[in-house]
Amino acid sequence: DAKTTQPNSMESNEEEPVHLPCNHSTISGTDYIHWYRQLPSQGPEYVIHGLTSNVNNRMASLAIAEDRKSSTLILHRATLRDAAVYYCILRAVVIRNKFYFGSGTKLNVKP
Amino acid sequence: ETGVTQSPTHLIKTRGQQVTLRCSSQSGHNTVSWYQQALGQGPQFIFQYYREEENGRGNFPPRFSGLQFPNYSSELNVNALELDDSALYLCASSLAYGGREGETQYFGPGTRLLVL
Repeated sequence: DAKTTQPNSMESNEEEPVHLPCNHSTISGTDYIHWYRQLPSQGPEYVIHGLTSNVNNRMASLAIAEDRKSSTLILHRATLRDAAVYYCILRAVVIRNKFYFGSGTKLNVKP
Repeated sequence: ETGVTQSPTHLIKTRGQQVTLRCSSQSGHNTVSWYQQALGQGPQFIFQYYREEENGRGNFPPRFSGLQFPNYSSELNVNALELDDSALYLCASSLAYGGREGETQYFGPGTRLLVL
């Protein structure tokens, strides 16, 4: 099972960019890189995903290394509402795939 | 478009009892996954149902079982409850088509189970 490695925690100041790293050295060619986040007392919510190219959406950007063994989730301007646990997940887009969360990175945003 | 809902929100059981948790998928979704999240840890995959059949399973014993109904709502059943079963139970729905699973899972708020 493909695994990811993330720092346990990170801290950021409000309105500053945040770069959340993820290592996934065992990624296979069919694995997409997904990011979810879990706010306190809520279920996880989708943030962004990508395969090879960098991706942008209204929530964040995803930068994927050329060898795909690491990726970085970028929050361009952190707000207090972005304080959450962020999970980096590898996911093959086929039926019967399993969806493995690691321990995630707990992001603390300071006002 | 309604989101994923789960019931009950909280539940207290005693060791050895049985419990049924319920999940209503997001409208139009045909796949549901269940997860167990212990305090301070990431969610652990229990199993997935696609078109009313179990479609994949994590490292959980057979006393964890499930059902998916024609309207794509779902149940998680746990028999012979143990203290370590105390956790947040999450369901997530997605749309699978043409042999490919949907790229995004939508999670419910979870059911918090306490086993005494």
